[in-house]
Amino acid sequence: LAKTTQPISMDSYEGQEVNITCSHNNIATNDYITWYQQFPSQGPRFIIQGYKTKVTNEVASLFIPADRKSSTLSLPRVSLSDTAVYYCLVGGAGGTSYGKLTFGQGTILTVHP
Amino acid sequence: DSGVTQTPKHLITATGQRVTLRCSPRSGDLSVYWYQQSLDQGLQFLIQYYNGEERAKGNILERFSAQQFPDLHSELNLSSLELGDSALYFCASSVGEGGNSPLHFGNGTRLTVT
Repeated sequence: LAKTTQPISMDSYEGQEVNITCSHNNIATNDYITWYQQFPSQGPRFIIQGYKTKVTNEVASLFIPADRKSSTLSLPRVSLSDTAVYYCLVGGAGGTSYGKLTFGQGTILTVHP
Repeated sequence: DSGVTQTPKHLITATGQRVTLRCSPRSGDLSVYWYQQSLDQGLQFLIQYYNGEERAKGNILERFSAQQFPDLHSELNLSSLELGDSALYFCASSVGEGGNSPLHFGNGTRLTVT
């Protein structure tokens, strides 16, 4: 199973771009990289998913280098409401990591006024 | 709203008791995952079902069991409850059975064991 490592916490200010990097050195060929956001006492919410290169949606971008051993979630122009825990999840469409979607400790992002 | 419904929202019970948590997945989703989240353990994967069959098992205690029914809803049964079982229990659903299908989480059941 691909283990993920993220910074425990990050601080930012409103209007800034925030980049959160996740390390997953033993990612398998079949594994996808998915990011989730969680507010206190709520279930995690899907943000973005990718396999390689760059993916962008209306709320974030995901950058994945060619070796896929890390990924970076980019949040443009954060606001106070982006204060949350962000999880990087690596899991496969097959093989030994199939179905066992294990979350890491996550990154606590605090956005200041 | 994720479309995943969990009941009850809160549950308070005593040690040694048994409870059942219920999850209704999003319409069209075939996979159901159960997670436990406590303050000191983070999100722990318990078990996954796909279209009624168990697909993957994580750190689920023998006192816990789950199943997915033909209508795709799922139940997590917790028995011989201990104080340490107090936690938020989340259900998530997805279309497929692998990590390439994003998970959609419910808002959880908060279990308090006294």
